[in-house]
Amino acid sequence: AQSVTQLDSQVPVFEEAPVELRCNYSSSVSVYLFWYVQYPNQGLQLLLKYLSGSTLVKGINGFEAEFNKSQTSFHLRKPSVHISDTAEYFCAVRETQGGSEKLVFGKGTKLTVNP
Amino acid sequence: EADIYQTPRYLVIGTGKKITLECSQTMGHDKMYWYQQDPGMELHLIHYSYGVNSTEKGDLSSESTVSRIRTEHFPLTLESARPSHTSQYLCASSELRTGDTGELFFGEGSRLTVL
Repeated sequence: AQSVTQLDSQVPVFEEAPVELRCNYSSSVSVYLFWYVQYPNQGLQLLLKYLSGSTLVKGINGFEAEFNKSQTSFHLRKPSVHISDTAEYFCAVRETQGGSEKLVFGKGTKLTVNP
Repeated sequence: EADIYQTPRYLVIGTGKKITLECSQTMGHDKMYWYQQDPGMELHLIHYSYGVNSTEKGDLSSESTVSRIRTEHFPLTLESARPSHTSQYLCASSELRTGDTGELFFGEGSRLTVL
């Protein structure tokens, strides 16, 4: 079974600073990878996804992520964060097992952007 | 823009009550899911459905039950709520077709508190 590890449970940063949220996954086979964002009191919203092709994936709100197969990582980055980026971020990998498909999520990283 | 709706958003009830969390989507998606979300923990899949009259249990054992009588509707029921059921429940849907990415569209969640 797949697993996803988000190495930091909380990341505080100042506004306009760069940020990297780390994600590692367990699978050694081809994977589909996702980053979701959850704003307070809301559901999850897709930020970006990696399916194949270029290892650098660009998403909404200025976020990007890089797929690194050798390190089984899919870290999320933004060069300059805003207060409005304060939210919880979830990394996920698609798992196919026994004919069923599902997303396996990490525990989330709470990003707090301070003025 | 995802069109998936959950009601109620917040529910506080006493032990032993029967509750139903509603989830509806207007995207015509065949796949629907219920995830349980607790603070600092992964999202855990508790139920999923691949279409009408199809329901399966997820990875996390749950005392709740689901039904799928109509494509757009996937309610979750707890016959007798207990404090251990206190959690946030997230409904999601995705398309079912060859080569789909597994991207999920989420509702805003139902936060259940059992006293």
